[in-house]
Amino acid sequence: QVHLVQSGAEVKKPGASVKVSCKASGYTFTGYYIHWVRQAPGQGLEWMGWFNPNSGGRNYADKFEGRVTMTRDTSISTAYMELSGLRSDDTAVYYCARDNNVGSADYWGQGTLVTVSS
Amino acid sequence: EIVLTQSPATLSLSPGERATLSCRASQSVSNYLGWYQQKPGQAPRLLIYDVSNRATDIPARFSGSGSGTDFTLTISSLEPEDFAVYYCQQRSAFGGGTKVEIK
Repeated sequence: QVHLVQSGAEVKKPGASVKVSCKASGYTFTGYYIHWVRQAPGQGLEWMGWFNPNSGGRNYADKFEGRVTMTRDTSISTAYMELSGLRSDDTAVYYCARDNNVGSADYWGQGTLVTVSS
Repeated sequence: EIVLTQSPATLSLSPGERATLSCRASQSVSNYLGWYQQKPGQAPRLLIYDVSNRATDIPARFSGSGSGTDFTLTISSLEPEDFAVYYCQQRSAFGGGTKVEIK
């Protein structure tokens, strides 16, 4: 069955960068886009961007353009999301999710808590 | 940029009652409209995709409808496990969520 397993929680200082990994299994990694979505404490879901593991193509939300980089390593079926210039309001749970090829996210990782604090 | 507005913010109902959740888009959208359920401490779970298609293993009491700018998620008879927060999503936008709580 399909699984997305994310890397563990991170604590970072303001201004630093964080790189979250998302290892896929149970399906053809290059056959489905990956979304990255975050959720600040007590808040709703916020879409960050999508990534095409096959071509490397990507589309970032305007809000994150210039600060986010989405990549992949197809040899280990893993997607990555790196966010730079961290601020306290970047404290959130970050999720990767597989697109079902019709715009919805049908499988989600367990989430990675990123805490930004001095 | 599409903005999705969900209403109401909170819905207080009893088990067995019908829940009707609304999602309104700032402009007409394609059929790529999905609904998700999220419980505390868990990742979201896809319920409905393409406006009205139930995702794998989703019970028939969940249904989606709508077109253009107005979409609805209906839960025909609330089960105890259905009390949660629900989000609509269209490609790069999520609605703000509706919390369905026990009355």
